[in-house]
Amino acid sequence: EVQVLESGGGLVQPGGSLRLSCAASGLIFSSYAMSWVRQAPGKGLEWVSGISGSGDSTNYADSVKGRFTISRDNSKNVLYLQMNSLRAEDTAVYYCAKGRGSSWYKGLDVWGQGTTVTVSS
Amino acid sequence: QSALTQPASVSGSPGQSITISCTGTSSDIGNYKYVSWYQQNPGKAPKLIIYDISERPSGVSNRFSASKSGNTASLTISGLQADDEADYFCSSYSRSTTLLFGGGTKLTVL
Repeated sequence: EVQVLESGGGLVQPGGSLRLSCAASGLIFSSYAMSWVRQAPGKGLEWVSGISGSGDSTNYADSVKGRFTISRDNSKNVLYLQMNSLRAEDTAVYYCAKGRGSSWYKGLDVWGQGTTVTVSS
Repeated sequence: QSALTQPASVSGSPGQSITISCTGTSSDIGNYKYVSWYQQNPGKAPKLIIYDISERPSGVSNRFSASKSGNTASLTISGLQADDEADYFCSSYSRSTTLLFGGGTKLTVL
């Protein structure tokens, strides 16, 4: 069974940094694109970032471009999201999600349970 | 980078059919076949129920069907059941932002 499990969320002050991790199992990790999707309290889903299976192609939502960096370690089956210059509006549950194939926009078919990031002083 | 437009809520009685619309533009839904739909129960992660406009992943009930016309995609749930009550989100490839979600629709089964 394919599973992904996020970790690394927590409370951070505005302007601070946090790194999220997502451990994947049950799949050939390097074969799949991955994405981070967030959901602010009581709000809808917002795509944050995506990365190709090899890691050589990445993309970001305008709201996080220049502040967040997505990366992956295929030798460890782990996806990361480095979040810098955090703002109150970044407060959300962050989900790690597996793309159906080589692209993250063709459907996200496996999701983690989410990790909560709270940006507050 | 506006979200795709969905109705905030829809409702239906058990056994009925309901349709949820998802409106975008020619930069996303209108020109690409990468439309997906997700079901999310309270406190849970989203679940993929439709991809590539109208394809169902293995294990998803055939009561869920979907289509696209122009800049609008639609999800239909037939034979409504109590456990269909959830939030539903559409998504589409977008030329500008790669992946765009709708604002979500809360389905109430009366």
